[in-house]
Amino acid sequence: GESVGLHLPTLSVQEGDNSIINCAYSNSASDYFIWYKQESGKGPQFIIDIRSNMDKRQGQRVTVLLNKTVKHLSLQIAATQPGDSAVYFCAENIPGANNLFFGTGTRLTVIP
Amino acid sequence: SQTIHQWPATLVQPVGSPLSLECTVEGTSNPNLYWYRQAAGRGLQLLFYSVGIGQISSEVPQNLSASRPQDRQFILSSKKLLLSDSGFYLCAWSVFRGDYEQYFGPGTRLTVT
Repeated sequence: GESVGLHLPTLSVQEGDNSIINCAYSNSASDYFIWYKQESGKGPQFIIDIRSNMDKRQGQRVTVLLNKTVKHLSLQIAATQPGDSAVYFCAENIPGANNLFFGTGTRLTVIP
Repeated sequence: SQTIHQWPATLVQPVGSPLSLECTVEGTSNPNLYWYRQAAGRGLQLLFYSVGIGQISSEVPQNLSASRPQDRQFILSSKKLLLSDSGFYLCAWSVFRGDYEQYFGPGTRLTVT
């Protein structure tokens, strides 16, 4: 479900280091997952997705890992840059639902 | 290509005044449409979604309402705003094409004074 009442967890990383953002999802039947990036004052933007029949998917500097056993999703950002500073949301699709279910979000701050 | 528009971008309204936020989508047909609210420093709260003209599902009881008068138009309204209605309002659309990705608009920053 949505934890909209909670303040966002934060993660600070040094520029050039790798970042790992974690997300626990709620429904074992969820079959599709997305990571979104939201910069300040803007709408969320798609980063990468993964289906439940996969464990790992790679994009440009980003990797998503899915562990269905523990219902855990992670986003890895390689060589983090200042432009990566944003709030990152995971979202899950539950079959039969008409909408995605978003996680709380994590605020990533990159220290130059 | 598909685009989504929201207006106004920012709005300052007094308590008790009405509200109308508009969202339009171009380049797709029969999309699912969504309204979210995001309080400062917090996550996304789904307010309404619509799977077709005139079809609105409300996720959270409140003093807001939504309407879909046309296929690609989604409107968020209130008759009397409350201070707690302040926030960042996001419209999104999706079309099932084997995945469920939602595409978000630029958002409207509403401040109720």
